[in-house]
Amino acid sequence: AQSVTQLDSHVSVSEGTPVLLRCNYSSSYSPSLFWYVQHPNKGLQLLLKYTSAATLVKGINGFEAEFKKSETSFHLTKPSAHMSDAAEYFCVVSEPSNTGKLIFGQGTTLQVKP
Amino acid sequence: DTAVSQTPKYLVTQMGNDKSIKCEQNLGHDTMYWYKQDSKKFLKIMFSYNNKELIINETVPNRFSPKSPDKAHLNLHINSLELGDSAVYFCASSPSIADGYTFGSGTRLTVV
Repeated sequence: AQSVTQLDSHVSVSEGTPVLLRCNYSSSYSPSLFWYVQHPNKGLQLLLKYTSAATLVKGINGFEAEFKKSETSFHLTKPSAHMSDAAEYFCVVSEPSNTGKLIFGQGTTLQVKP
Repeated sequence: DTAVSQTPKYLVTQMGNDKSIKCEQNLGHDTMYWYKQDSKKFLKIMFSYNNKELIINETVPNRFSPKSPDKAHLNLHINSLELGDSAVYFCASSPSIADGYTFGSGTRLTVV
């Protein structure tokens, strides 16, 4: 069965410093992986997705993630945090079926300090 | 605007009542979903429809009944509401598995 584990429930960075949000996945198949962001009292927005093309995936707002099969990881990074990046981030894996079902990680709260 | 829209945004109701949440997408997607986000922000799928056909029905009480009159709409009806049903319910749609979802802005249901 597919699963994702977000290794940090809360990450705090200073504005202008790098962001690293860690995600490990478990999958019997070659997975599709996603990162979503949820700002307070808002819906979820797709940041980026990996679907077995390039292992380094660039997303919106300067975020990127690298798929590392040997480490079963899909960590999210950004070189320089902005105050507007403060939000909840979800690492997500899709089930290898034709249902489109997504399995969400527990979420990581990113705090950005001035 | 192209989007997934849910109504209402907020819903406060008493235990035992019946309520509905509506969802519409104008993206031309074939598949629509309902997810529940609990108080710890954990998201779990409830239902999925593809072209009006139910394809995912997770372990959800049968008080919850989805209805898809056409592929652009997926409504959620909840009978005999309980305190534990309080959560944020998200509707989403996708053209295919690999594309990920477009989410609605959520409906915050509070049962008192």
